[in-house]
Amino acid sequence: QQPVQSPQAVILREGEDAVINCSSSKALYSVHWYRQKHGEAPVFLMILLKGGEQKGHEKISASFNEKKQQSSLYLTASQLSYSGTYFCGTEVSGGSNYKLTFGKGTLLTVNP
Amino acid sequence: DAGITQSPRHKVTETGTPVTLRCHQTENHRYMYWYRQDPGHGLRLIHYSYGVKDTDKGEVSDGYSVSRSKTEDFLLTLESATSSQTSVYFCAISTILAGEETQYFGPGTRLLVL
Repeated sequence: QQPVQSPQAVILREGEDAVINCSSSKALYSVHWYRQKHGEAPVFLMILLKGGEQKGHEKISASFNEKKQQSSLYLTASQLSYSGTYFCGTEVSGGSNYKLTFGKGTLLTVNP
Repeated sequence: DAGITQSPRHKVTETGTPVTLRCHQTENHRYMYWYRQDPGHGLRLIHYSYGVKDTDKGEVSDGYSVSRSKTEDFLLTLESATSSQTSVYFCAISTILAGEETQYFGPGTRLLVL
Protein backbone atom coordinates (compact mmCIF):
# COMPACT_ATOMS: atom_id res chain seq x y z
CA GLN A 1 0.00 0.00 0.00
CA GLN A 2 1.20 3.45 -0.91
CA PRO A 3 2.33 5.54 2.08
CA VAL A 4 0.59 8.86 2.60
CA GLN A 5 2.73 11.98 2.56
CA SER A 6 1.74 15.32 4.02
CA PRO A 7 1.67 18.13 3.21
CA GLN A 8 1.42 17.83 -0.58
CA ALA A 9 3.22 21.13 -1.00
CA VAL A 10 4.89 23.74 1.18
CA ILE A 11 6.38 27.15 0.45
CA LEU A 12 9.05 28.57 2.69
CA ARG A 13 11.26 31.60 2.90
CA GLU A 14 14.95 30.99 3.28
CA GLY A 15 15.80 30.20 6.88
CA GLU A 16 12.39 28.76 7.80
CA ASP A 17 11.78 25.19 8.95
CA ALA A 18 9.60 22.45 7.49
CA VAL A 19 8.36 19.02 8.47
CA ILE A 20 7.25 16.38 5.96
CA ASN A 21 5.36 13.34 7.18
CA CYS A 22 5.07 9.84 5.77
CA SER A 23 2.44 7.47 7.18
CA SER A 24 1.62 3.84 6.58
CA SER A 25 -1.31 1.69 7.63
CA LYS A 26 1.10 -1.21 8.16
CA ALA A 27 4.19 -1.70 10.25
CA LEU A 28 7.26 -0.92 8.21
CA TYR A 29 10.67 -2.49 8.03
CA SER A 30 12.33 0.66 6.75
CA VAL A 31 11.72 4.16 5.45
CA HIS A 32 13.89 5.72 2.76
CA TRP A 33 13.87 9.45 2.02
CA TYR A 34 14.71 10.94 -1.38
CA ARG A 35 14.81 14.41 -2.88
CA GLN A 36 14.19 15.06 -6.56
CA LYS A 37 15.00 18.24 -8.44
CA HIS A 38 12.93 19.08 -11.50
CA GLY A 39 14.00 17.02 -14.50
CA GLU A 40 16.44 14.90 -12.49
CA ALA A 41 16.47 11.50 -10.83
CA PRO A 42 15.57 11.06 -7.16
CA VAL A 43 18.59 11.29 -4.88
CA PHE A 44 18.90 9.25 -1.69
CA LEU A 45 18.93 11.24 1.57
CA MET A 46 18.72 8.68 4.37
CA ILE A 47 17.19 5.45 5.60
CA LEU A 48 15.62 4.64 8.95
CA LEU A 49 15.39 1.07 10.17
CA LYS A 50 14.67 1.09 13.87
CA GLY A 51 11.58 2.21 15.72
CA GLY A 52 12.38 5.36 17.65
CA GLU A 53 15.39 6.08 15.45
CA GLN A 54 16.43 9.61 14.63
CA LYS A 55 19.22 10.41 12.26
CA GLY A 56 20.47 13.07 9.94
CA HIS A 57 23.22 15.52 9.31
CA GLU A 58 23.26 19.20 10.11
CA LYS A 59 20.00 20.70 8.91
CA ILE A 60 18.22 17.68 7.44
CA SER A 61 17.15 14.93 9.79
CA ALA A 62 14.43 12.31 10.12
CA SER A 63 12.67 10.20 12.72
CA PHE A 64 10.86 6.87 12.71
CA ASN A 65 8.23 6.42 15.38
CA GLU A 66 8.16 3.55 17.87
CA LYS A 67 5.32 1.74 16.13
CA LYS A 68 7.22 2.00 12.84
CA GLN A 69 4.27 3.32 10.93
CA GLN A 70 5.26 6.94 10.55
CA SER A 71 8.36 8.85 9.64
CA SER A 72 9.01 12.58 9.56
CA LEU A 73 11.66 14.54 7.67
CA TYR A 74 12.85 17.76 9.28
CA LEU A 75 14.45 20.57 7.31
CA THR A 76 15.75 23.38 9.47
CA ALA A 77 16.99 26.81 8.45
CA SER A 78 16.07 25.99 4.87
CA GLN A 79 18.27 26.99 1.96
CA LEU A 80 17.35 27.66 -1.65
CA SER A 81 19.03 24.36 -2.57
CA TYR A 82 16.46 22.45 -0.50
CA SER A 83 13.78 23.13 -3.11
CA GLY A 84 12.49 20.01 -4.81
CA THR A 85 10.07 17.15 -4.34
CA TYR A 86 10.61 14.88 -1.36
CA PHE A 87 9.57 11.25 -1.48
CA CYS A 88 9.42 8.60 1.17
CA GLY A 89 9.86 5.00 0.08
CA THR A 90 8.70 2.30 2.43
CA GLU A 91 9.53 -1.37 2.82
CA VAL A 92 6.95 -3.37 4.74
CA SER A 93 7.85 -5.79 7.48
CA GLY A 94 8.17 -9.26 6.00
CA GLY A 95 8.74 -7.87 2.51
CA SER A 96 11.31 -9.21 0.11
CA ASN A 97 13.60 -8.24 -2.73
CA TYR A 98 14.15 -4.78 -1.24
CA LYS A 99 10.97 -3.51 -2.87
CA LEU A 100 9.99 0.02 -2.01
CA THR A 101 6.59 1.66 -2.29
CA PHE A 102 6.76 5.42 -2.71
CA GLY A 103 4.47 8.17 -1.53
CA LYS A 104 3.19 10.75 -4.00
CA GLY A 105 5.73 13.30 -2.89
CA THR A 106 5.85 16.69 -1.17
CA LEU A 107 6.82 19.71 -3.27
CA LEU A 108 9.01 22.06 -1.26
CA THR A 109 9.69 25.54 -2.58
CA VAL A 110 12.18 27.78 -0.81
CA ASN A 111 12.07 31.43 -1.81
CA PRO A 112 14.66 34.12 -1.05
CA ASP B 1 27.13 7.15 -9.40
CA ALA B 2 26.68 3.36 -9.02
CA GLY B 3 27.42 2.96 -12.76
CA ILE B 4 23.85 2.98 -14.02
CA THR B 5 22.79 4.33 -17.42
CA GLN B 6 19.54 4.36 -19.34
CA SER B 7 18.95 4.50 -23.08
CA PRO B 8 17.46 6.20 -24.88
CA ARG B 9 17.12 9.28 -22.70
CA HIS B 10 14.30 10.67 -24.81
CA LYS B 11 11.95 8.95 -27.22
CA VAL B 12 8.89 9.91 -29.22
CA THR B 13 6.87 7.09 -30.71
CA GLU B 14 3.45 6.39 -32.13
CA THR B 15 0.57 4.48 -30.61
CA GLY B 16 0.72 0.79 -31.37
CA THR B 17 4.46 0.52 -31.90
CA PRO B 18 6.71 -1.59 -29.66
CA VAL B 19 9.29 0.24 -27.59
CA THR B 20 12.26 -1.11 -25.63
CA LEU B 21 14.07 0.83 -22.93
CA ARG B 22 17.43 -0.32 -21.67
CA CYS B 23 18.96 -0.07 -18.22
CA HIS B 24 22.65 -0.88 -17.99
CA GLN B 25 24.77 -1.21 -14.85
CA THR B 26 28.45 -1.94 -14.49
CA GLU B 27 28.77 -2.98 -10.85
CA ASN B 28 27.18 -6.43 -10.77
CA HIS B 29 24.14 -5.49 -8.71
CA ARG B 30 21.67 -8.32 -8.27
CA TYR B 31 18.44 -6.34 -7.86
CA MET B 32 17.11 -4.03 -10.57
CA TYR B 33 13.80 -2.18 -10.85
CA TRP B 34 11.73 -0.28 -13.40
CA TYR B 35 9.49 2.57 -12.24
CA ARG B 36 7.31 5.06 -14.01
CA GLN B 37 6.75 8.55 -12.69
CA ASP B 38 3.66 10.59 -13.45
CA PRO B 39 2.41 13.85 -11.93
CA GLY B 40 0.30 13.19 -8.87
CA HIS B 41 1.31 9.53 -8.63
CA GLY B 42 4.90 9.55 -7.51
CA LEU B 43 7.06 6.57 -8.46
CA ARG B 44 5.26 3.33 -9.24
CA LEU B 45 6.97 -0.03 -9.64
CA ILE B 46 6.44 -1.74 -13.00
CA HIS B 47 8.67 -4.81 -12.80
CA TYR B 48 11.77 -5.85 -10.93
CA SER B 49 14.49 -8.44 -11.20
CA TYR B 50 16.31 -10.37 -8.49
CA GLY B 51 18.79 -12.10 -10.78
CA VAL B 52 19.43 -13.21 -14.33
CA LYS B 53 16.15 -14.47 -15.82
CA ASP B 54 14.42 -13.87 -12.45
CA THR B 55 11.78 -11.19 -12.71
CA ASP B 56 8.46 -10.36 -11.11
CA LYS B 57 5.62 -7.90 -11.53
CA GLY B 58 5.13 -4.65 -9.70
CA GLU B 59 1.95 -2.71 -9.13
CA VAL B 60 1.52 -1.32 -12.69
CA SER B 61 2.81 -4.12 -14.92
CA ASP B 62 -0.05 -4.34 -17.47
CA GLY B 63 1.20 -3.56 -20.98
CA TYR B 64 4.86 -4.02 -20.02
CA SER B 65 7.28 -6.92 -20.17
CA VAL B 66 10.88 -7.21 -19.03
CA SER B 67 13.89 -9.36 -19.69
CA ARG B 68 17.22 -9.86 -18.00
CA SER B 69 19.49 -12.21 -19.92
CA LYS B 70 22.67 -10.92 -18.26
CA THR B 71 23.41 -9.21 -14.98
CA GLU B 72 24.23 -5.82 -16.42
CA ASP B 73 21.15 -5.26 -18.60
CA PHE B 74 17.48 -4.99 -17.64
CA LEU B 75 15.16 -4.29 -20.58
CA LEU B 76 11.65 -2.87 -20.39
CA THR B 77 9.38 -3.45 -23.39
CA LEU B 78 6.12 -1.74 -24.14
CA GLU B 79 4.54 -4.33 -26.38
CA SER B 80 2.15 -1.91 -28.10
CA ALA B 81 2.62 1.61 -26.83
CA THR B 82 -0.43 3.63 -25.78
CA SER B 83 -0.76 7.30 -24.91
CA SER B 84 -1.31 6.35 -21.25
CA GLN B 85 2.26 5.05 -21.22
CA THR B 86 3.63 8.53 -21.83
CA SER B 87 5.76 8.98 -18.74
CA VAL B 88 9.23 9.28 -17.30
CA TYR B 89 10.77 5.86 -16.72
CA PHE B 90 13.42 5.31 -14.08
CA CYS B 91 15.58 2.28 -13.61
CA ALA B 92 16.99 1.63 -10.14
CA ILE B 93 19.38 -0.79 -8.51
CA SER B 94 19.58 -1.89 -4.91
CA THR B 95 22.96 -0.97 -3.52
CA ILE B 96 24.81 0.25 -0.45
CA LEU B 97 24.78 4.02 -0.05
CA ALA B 98 26.25 5.69 3.03
CA GLY B 99 26.51 2.24 4.59
CA GLU B 100 22.84 1.37 4.07
CA GLU B 101 21.00 -0.83 1.58
CA THR B 102 18.77 1.35 -0.55
CA GLN B 103 17.89 2.10 -4.15
CA TYR B 104 19.88 4.24 -6.53
CA PHE B 105 18.18 5.67 -9.60
CA GLY B 106 19.36 6.04 -13.16
CA PRO B 107 18.92 9.34 -15.02
CA GLY B 108 15.53 8.44 -16.51
CA THR B 109 13.97 8.11 -19.96
CA ARG B 110 11.28 10.51 -21.13
CA LEU B 111 8.81 8.70 -23.39
CA LEU B 112 6.11 10.44 -25.39
CA VAL B 113 3.54 8.26 -27.14
CA LEU B 114 1.57 10.14 -29.79
